[in-house]
Amino acid sequence: AQKITQTQPGMFVQEKEAVTLDCTYDTSDPSYGLFWYKQPSSGEMIFLIYQGSYDQQNATEGRYSLNFQKARKSANLVISASQLGDSAMYFCAMGTGNQFYFGTGTSLTVIP
Amino acid sequence: DAMVIQNPRYQVTQFGKPVTLSCSQTLNHNVMYWYQQKSSQAPKLLFHYYDKDFNNEADTPDNFQSRRPNTSFCFLDIRSPGLGDAAMYLCATSRETPDYNEQFFGPGTRLTVL
Repeated sequence: AQKITQTQPGMFVQEKEAVTLDCTYDTSDPSYGLFWYKQPSSGEMIFLIYQGSYDQQNATEGRYSLNFQKARKSANLVISASQLGDSAMYFCAMGTGNQFYFGTGTSLTVIP
Repeated sequence: DAMVIQNPRYQVTQFGKPVTLSCSQTLNHNVMYWYQQKSSQAPKLLFHYYDKDFNNEADTPDNFQSRRPNTSFCFLDIRSPGLGDAAMYLCATSRETPDYNEQFFGPGTRLTVL
């Protein structure tokens, strides 16, 4: 069963605009963590932001924020003030116990 | 700085010639993972070690083996690489927690099979 779903294979955003990358998840575990990773063309997987299932507040890290809607099982990534360097693949992931599930990724292109 | 290191960053091998990729970590994490990632796809978990306990994914081919001689090091052995094994190989580590396990990734090894 698909654990993490990213429905946007590709997204475009104008430089300096905000963009939302969608992610929904599926689990029956009460404790889990949700993660977003950025993967530029170099291939390295760069951790961006984390949200715990018990966290009341939405996570924020600089220009990244995670819009966590537990009842809807969604964990969308919002990037504010997009920069050209944000062009990359973005993966949503969920960790629960010793299992870790990746979505299929969204390719983001920032247009000057 | 604590980190996950993968060597080499780029590896070229010939069809059928065994190759070993290495991963080391200074995070002292007890769980280590190997992923295969092909172009434009999500990383695919091959196997992971929980301390010394080896956990193989059901669909990981027998051609792929792994060794973890100690906490810091983990190796991926591809016994007879085929053209379809050309991919990025990512090593990751995590510490066991009761709730979740954030994974810390190395920079990856890009394998080319000629």
